[in-house]
Amino acid sequence: EAQVTQNPRYLITVTGKKLTVTCSQNMNHEYMSWYRQDPGLGLRQIYYSMNVEVTDKGDVPEGYKVSRKEKRNFPLILESPSPNQTSLYFCASSLSSRGYEQYFGPGTRLTVT
Amino acid sequence: QKEVEQDPGPLSVPEGAIVSLNCTYSNSAFQYFMWYRQYSRKGPELLMYTYSSGNKEDGRFTAQVDKSSKYISLFIRDSQPSDSATYLCAMSPGGTSYGKLTFGQGTILTVHP
Repeated sequence: EAQVTQNPRYLITVTGKKLTVTCSQNMNHEYMSWYRQDPGLGLRQIYYSMNVEVTDKGDVPEGYKVSRKEKRNFPLILESPSPNQTSLYFCASSLSSRGYEQYFGPGTRLTVT
Repeated sequence: QKEVEQDPGPLSVPEGAIVSLNCTYSNSAFQYFMWYRQYSRKGPELLMYTYSSGNKEDGRFTAQVDKSSKYISLFIRDSQPSDSATYLCAMSPGGTSYGKLTFGQGTILTVHP
């Protein structure tokens, strides 16, 4: 089944404890992206990648890191999480390197205390 | 001022009604326009995708783009209870920033039987 998977789906952590949210797609898509969704603010793009080893900042990249070492995976790293990073995170991928027609993962609910 | 403005609603309509959802934007560089639908506790899914000004129809859904007014719309004909969801508009500038996507806040729609 063609899909975007994220792990973990739910995570509660403490301030400053480094964490990684994994994202994997099995559709051989060129483009991958990370978003966060907050009430009243909608979906905001964190980082995106148009190809392996190519990443670029979205609208809210501060406090996050990404890497794209292989086509199928695009992990999101929070080196020192803070409570304002409590959010619902979505990973997405697209066959087009331009990011049109994106397929979204199921989301990761992160709480930082 | 946000680059993309979308009335969050909520919008409640009876089954069979015509629904109009709208977004305005301020960045004249936006070239690609998308509508996503998001059911509760799920990731967004692409409904419609249009380039530049004009109309595009897909079944009960019609997307309109008016670049001169910086205004886009999604019309849903013969609305069904299964259309109840949050609808998100999204836009991309194309060119050297074509991987960058900016979303509206989303409009919550309820179609009651």
